[in-house]
Amino acid sequence: AQKVTQAQTEISVVEKEDVTLDCVYETRDTTYYLFWYKQPPSGELVFLIRRNSFDEQNEISGRYSWNFQKSTSSFNFTITASQVVDSAVYFCALSEAEGAGTYKYIFGTGTRLKVLA
Amino acid sequence: GAVVSQHPSWVICKSGTSVKIECRSLDFQATTMFWYRQFPKQSLMLMATSNEGSKATYEQGVEKDKFLINHASLTLSTLTVTSAHPEDSSFYICSAVSGLSSSFLPYEQYFGPGTRLTVT
Repeated sequence: AQKVTQAQTEISVVEKEDVTLDCVYETRDTTYYLFWYKQPPSGELVFLIRRNSFDEQNEISGRYSWNFQKSTSSFNFTITASQVVDSAVYFCALSEAEGAGTYKYIFGTGTRLKVLA
Repeated sequence: GAVVSQHPSWVICKSGTSVKIECRSLDFQATTMFWYRQFPKQSLMLMATSNEGSKATYEQGVEKDKFLINHASLTLSTLTVTSAHPEDSSFYICSAVSGLSSSFLPYEQYFGPGTRLTVT
């Protein structure tokens, strides 16, 4: 069965610290997609990254980096030198085909990140 | 590109009334739209999948007669919460997926900004 686990419910760090948000997924498919979204207090989901199952390259975008490891079914997200504006809830999501071209998302339960000044 | 809007962004209604929430894809045609609800400090829960011109597919436990979904065109889907009660108060989020012929990725959902519903 498909499942996304974000074991960290809430993390608090002091500004400028690095922080890693964990995401572990389960799927039977060989083709799937993984996503990270940020949800600030306003509620709107902000897309951060997508990764397909065939691309295990790690990615860095500014202070953000992602580590995709198929061997451990993990897709972890690291924020370097965290800032107060990074405070939000972060969701990891798995997308796989349901048939007839439809892809459903399975969301993790989210990790609430608090960055303290 | 790939902009999805929702209207209204927030609504307060009295118990027993019905509320309609619109979800529009502004710059692409959405063959499929999804509706989610999110309770405070919880994750997004998929309510239903809506395909243009056909009946919505509801997830287990979601009342079809309570949450009416209409996907009348390739750019508009509506969710009507009928006879709303305080327990229906939640944050409702829609997402849209473009058709295969589009330049947008067919497997990626583009999310609206959400509608906060409060039933008093």
